[in-house]
Amino acid sequence: DAMVIQNPRYQVTQFGKPVTLSCSQTLNHNVMYWYQQKSSQAPKLLFHYYDKDFNNEADTPDNFQSRRPNTSFCFLDIRSPGLGDAAMYLCATSRGTGGITPLHFGNGTRLTVT
Amino acid sequence: GEDVEQSLFLSVREGDSSVINCTYTDSSSTYLYWYKQEPGAGLQLLTYIFSNMDMKQDQRLTVLLNKKDKHLSLRIADTQTGDSAIYFCAEGQAGTALIFGKGTTLSVSS
Repeated sequence: DAMVIQNPRYQVTQFGKPVTLSCSQTLNHNVMYWYQQKSSQAPKLLFHYYDKDFNNEADTPDNFQSRRPNTSFCFLDIRSPGLGDAAMYLCATSRGTGGITPLHFGNGTRLTVT
Repeated sequence: GEDVEQSLFLSVREGDSSVINCTYTDSSSTYLYWYKQEPGAGLQLLTYIFSNMDMKQDQRLTVLLNKKDKHLSLRIADTQTGDSAIYFCAEGQAGTALIFGKGTTLSVSS
């Protein structure tokens, strides 16, 4: 089945220690997104790639970076995680940008910062 | 600015119908979506409706759209315990990211 796969499912990192979360897709979608979701809140878009074009949301902290080396893979790098960065991180893909094509989500990576 | 509002909790008995409501503010919205999130998982697309439609039915799911009132609802017929989850409403239009509501937690008791 075509899908969006996130690894690992659970990640523990220390305060200030860089961490990388991974996402891969077999849907061959042009767009890949990273969302941050805290408890009882809506997913918050951090940034997205349309092919190789990177689009950062205005309020995404500089501490968050992303890489997309090819169509299938996208990475979220948190350079110096703080306690407030503990959250579920969701990767999603879509065929096109904007809100007119459905998003397909992975199962997320739950990040704990100690 | 754009906003999507949902009630936070809904509790129903197994076998009853569930109705989850959502209001949005952007009249330019083209598509309205419903996503389901089970504990510890990502969001699963349930259904979506184009803004020129009033209703869409898909097995146990019925989506109603009142564009004049900017009101969207999701009805789940014969609700089962496996339907317990958080349901997110989202609005979308070309060129902008989806805007999600905060989610409605549906609790189904047997």
